[in-house]
This record gives sequence, structure tokens and C-alpha cells, in this order.
Amino acid sequence: DAKTTQPPSMDCAEGRAANLPCNHSTISGNEYVYWYRQIHSQGPQYIIHGLKNNETNEMASLIITEDRKSSTLILPHATLRDTAVYYCIVRVAAGNQFYFGTGTSLTVIP
Amino acid sequence: GAGVSQSPSNKVTEKGKDVELRCDPISGHTALYWYRQSLGQGLEFLIYFQGNSAPDKSGLPSDRFSAERTGGSVSTLTIQRTQQEDSAVYLCASSRDRDQPQHFGDGTRLSIL
Repeated sequence: DAKTTQPPSMDCAEGRAANLPCNHSTISGNEYVYWYRQIHSQGPQYIIHGLKNNETNEMASLIITEDRKSSTLILPHATLRDTAVYYCIVRVAAGNQFYFGTGTSLTVIP
Repeated sequence: GAGVSQSPSNKVTEKGKDVELRCDPISGHTALYWYRQSLGQGLEFLIYFQGNSAPDKSGLPSDRFSAERTGGSVSTLTIQRTQQEDSAVYLCASSRDRDQPQHFGDGTRLSIL
């Protein structure tokens, strides 16, 4: 079953780029990688998703390796409000379930 | 804006009681998911609805859990004979279709005494 592996925690200085890695070595060829973040007591917030190509939007950039076995979420200029748990998720096998794991707890330091 | 709305936001009940949790998805979204999140844990998939198709119930932990989606819109998650281990935040999400990003509500925090 497709699953993801993320470091449990990371720190980043305010104003610097935050680079959050995710390993998804068993992802299926036609499944997307999605990134969400969750701030305490709120539902997860969608950030970005991609299939093969790198993607960028107003929140972040997503870099996907050519073999699609890993990706990196980049927050270009981290702010204190970016402190959250970041989840990289993929669909489990060919079903409807998404594997969330426990994510990376990012702390942005003033 | 009209995001995913869940009610109640908090529910405290006694062990053995039945509870109903409601989810109003974003209008026009055909896919609807229910998840459960225990303290400090990731999200656990419960059930998935897509249009008029039969729901994917493969994540429901026991037969005490059931869910309905009426008219392809509002969904209700029912837990019968609640147990203390059912205490968690129950999250609902909807998306335009299966591969589009999910939009989450803020969840219902369920506490079983």
C-alpha cells in the first residue's frame, strides 16, 4: 500500500525558506501527491498537489523527483503563522483511502 | 465563503449513548470523506461517498459506525452505543471529484465520559 514517510519535526528561521521532505516510494504511477497543513484545533488546509511536474502557487512550491518516489514542499519565506503540522498524502493503492501519517511539525522561530 | 460546515463543533456524551455528527459539504462537490483524528495522531479514513455510487465503508472500525449521504449533499455519521475509545475529532472533507483536493471542515470534537 502506498504510504508516506516524513520527519517528525523541523525548525525554520522566520523569513527563510522551509523545505519539507516526503518519501512516497510506493506511489502508483497515476496518483497525485497532496500537501496539507493543520494548525491546532482546525481542519487540515490544502496547500498544493502535483503528479509529475513541479508546481507553484501563492502558498508554496512542490518539487517532485523524476522517479516520483519523493517530493519536497517549499515555503519560500516562512512566517510565524506557518507553524503547523504538514502532511504529505497519497492514495492507498487503487482505493479511496488517503494515508496521512503523523506529518512534520514545523516550528518557525522568530 | 461557503466552506465545509460541521456540527456540532463539540459533543460530550455518556458511554453507551448514540451520537449523530453532521457534515454540510461545499455545494457541487461530488466526493465526501469522513476521517477520525485521535490526539496527536494523523487522520484515519472512515468512509467515502462519490456521487450516487455505493459508499466505500472500508475504514469504519466497527458495525457501531454508519454514515449516510442524502441527496448527494449533507452527510451524517452515526455512532451507536458509544465507547470511551470513540473519543476523537471527527473530520469531514469534500472535493469536486475523486482526484481534486479535499476541503476540510473544522471537525466535531467528541468526548465520551
